[in-house]
Amino acid sequence: QSVLTQPPSVSGAPGQRVTISCTGSSSNIGANYDVHWYQQLPGTAPKLLIYANNNRPSGVPDRFSGSKSGTSASLAITGLQAEDEADYYCQSYDSSLSGSRVFGGGTKLTVL
Amino acid sequence: QVTLRESGPALVKPTQTLTLTCTFSGFSLSTSGMCVSWIRQPPGKALEWLALIDWEDDKFYSTSLKTRLTISKDTSRNQVVLTMTYMDPMDTATYYCARSGIAASNSFDYWGQGTLVTVSS
Repeated sequence: QSVLTQPPSVSGAPGQRVTISCTGSSSNIGANYDVHWYQQLPGTAPKLLIYANNNRPSGVPDRFSGSKSGTSASLAITGLQAEDEADYYCQSYDSSLSGSRVFGGGTKLTVL
Repeated sequence: QVTLRESGPALVKPTQTLTLTCTFSGFSLSTSGMCVSWIRQPPGKALEWLALIDWEDDKFYSTSLKTRLTISKDTSRNQVVLTMTYMDPMDTATYYCARSGIAASNSFDYWGQGTLVTVSS
């Protein structure tokens, strides 16, 4: 049972917009800790996609965006492409678990 | 450029101790604010943070696994070592090391490629 809750799967057709939610609590996202998003392509290591809620590392297309409000965060992907098919994980910090970085359970994005 | 690489045994027996090494380049663990974490992922399952060590040699562990984990560093060799005792088949996973800053809000900006560890007799 992950500390952060994500939907197990989402899907969309090429060109569409999809969002992935990440729900936490008052000891993590709700305590104003930043949320980060990682993309994990099949058979590869996770890659930082969005950091500090809504910032893209160099090289990440602006089709990817993040937002945070209250105890939740969201990742939006616009102009869906076949290569976006991957697992996506949110991550934050939890003050109730000493030193703990926490992850969501992951969301499998399928491009139809 | 920043790189990290995990190494260690691919197969361990139940009850044995696992020792993994993360060898990195492109940054130094003596730099203020720098940290390295271990994160694992059982086959088909989610990521799980295990432990973090910072530039001052402070250590932080997953609450659920802290009695079994030890993290250490060799700054001169650019290495971070994780030991996990009493290995169980449920510990079968790909183990990653990743870099971050010390602030609670820092992300894992660089990851190793991971090493698969299978626990089986």
